[in-house]
Amino acid sequence: GDSVTQMEGPVTLSEEAFLTINCTYTATGYPSLFWYVQYPGEGLQLLLKATKADDKGSNKGFEATYRKETTSFHLEKGSVQVSDSAVYFCALGGASYDKVIFGPGTSLSVIP
Amino acid sequence: EAQVTQNPRYLITVTGKKLTVTCSQNMNHEYMSWYRQDPGLGLRQIYYSMNVEVTDKGDVPEGYKVSRKEKRNFPLILESPSPNQTSLYFCASSPQHQGAAEAFFGQGTRLTVV
Repeated sequence: GDSVTQMEGPVTLSEEAFLTINCTYTATGYPSLFWYVQYPGEGLQLLLKATKADDKGSNKGFEATYRKETTSFHLEKGSVQVSDSAVYFCALGGASYDKVIFGPGTSLSVIP
Repeated sequence: EAQVTQNPRYLITVTGKKLTVTCSQNMNHEYMSWYRQDPGLGLRQIYYSMNVEVTDKGDVPEGYKVSRKEKRNFPLILESPSPNQTSLYFCASSPQHQGAAEAFFGQGTRLTVV
């Protein structure tokens, strides 16, 4: 079945470091791809999305590009802040899906 | 403000004592779902509903019930809770009936069954 794989965490970075969280997917259809973020003590919220191949989603300095040839949707940010400390979930879904399929999540800690 | 509201936020209960976790959304979304989040297992879908009076099992439905009598409400019922249902629960809603578009999540309910 369709699935999402993310890099294992936790990831610890210093403030202003470059962030990459890898995400790859397996899908039989043509999914939309999402990144969700969960801040401590809160529910998940959508960070960015891309609905077709080569689309780039971006929000709050984060970016991810839908790469069909490598079935990837890696999350990047050029300069992380302490406030970016959270758990990040890669996910897939879309019009032909009856549910969103989440990856296991990657915990990020940013230290001053 | 558009939101998904869950209650209670925290609950400690004893084995076998029936409980209900409420979920309400004010965005007129057709699709609603329940997830549980456990360390090392990520998010797993319990039940979902594509519209009023339409519900279906997710990945881990055993021990849970749901109902969808109104569009805005989607309560999660544990008829006889057991310790393995100790978890963090999230309700979510989506604006498309397919249910797989952008999901809006509640704040979560941390349930402990002793």
